[in-house]
Amino acid sequence: EPEVTQTPSHQVTQMGQEVILRCVPISNHLYFYWYRQILGQKVEFLVSFYNNEISEKSEIFDDQFSVERPDGSNFTLKIRSTKLEDSAMYFCASSEGTRQGQHFGDGTRLSIL
Amino acid sequence: RKEVEQDPGPFNVPEGATVAFNCTYSNSASQSFFWYRQDCRKEPKLLMSVYSSGNEDGRFTAQLNRASQYISLLIRDSKLSDSATYLCVALYNFNKFYFGSGTKLNVKP
Repeated sequence: EPEVTQTPSHQVTQMGQEVILRCVPISNHLYFYWYRQILGQKVEFLVSFYNNEISEKSEIFDDQFSVERPDGSNFTLKIRSTKLEDSAMYFCASSEGTRQGQHFGDGTRLSIL
Repeated sequence: RKEVEQDPGPFNVPEGATVAFNCTYSNSASQSFFWYRQDCRKEPKLLMSVYSSGNEDGRFTAQLNRASQYISLLIRDSKLSDSATYLCVALYNFNKFYFGSGTKLNVKP
């Protein structure tokens, strides 16, 4: 069964550093998403991406965040200057359409020191 | 105000029991709804979409009540492997998904 893959599984970064989280969505999916989940809290929507542009973003997704689909297969989330409160599990997801359910990758645990 | 609200539980039930979860949503313009399950420290996994007419997938039945703005999930004949956190999800603006905080289910032998 096709799956969404994310790398790395765990990223440790110093506060203030830039970090890039990578995702390879399922190949025939057209919609891509990033979510985060702080330990013990709910899954929070960050951004959705379709047709090479952001289609929706949440209040969390401020100027420090950006997304890119650089080569037609990877989908990346960049955090420019990380803060302690960015420590969380970051999930990438993809779907065929907006009304179909999403398939999630197994996440990148981001730890900011 | 929470967009999607769920009873956090935990619901502790014996194997073979029937258990039901409800979830309420605040925005009447939401277009689609889903149930996911999440095991501890794992990614959410799609369980089922929720259709207006209600839908069933094996032991799982989902229903939507737009008038009262809630969705439900019924699990029949609970198995130990059903133990997880069940997440209710609502779609707004065709591209923005709101997750509930989840309802924890413990199925005991």
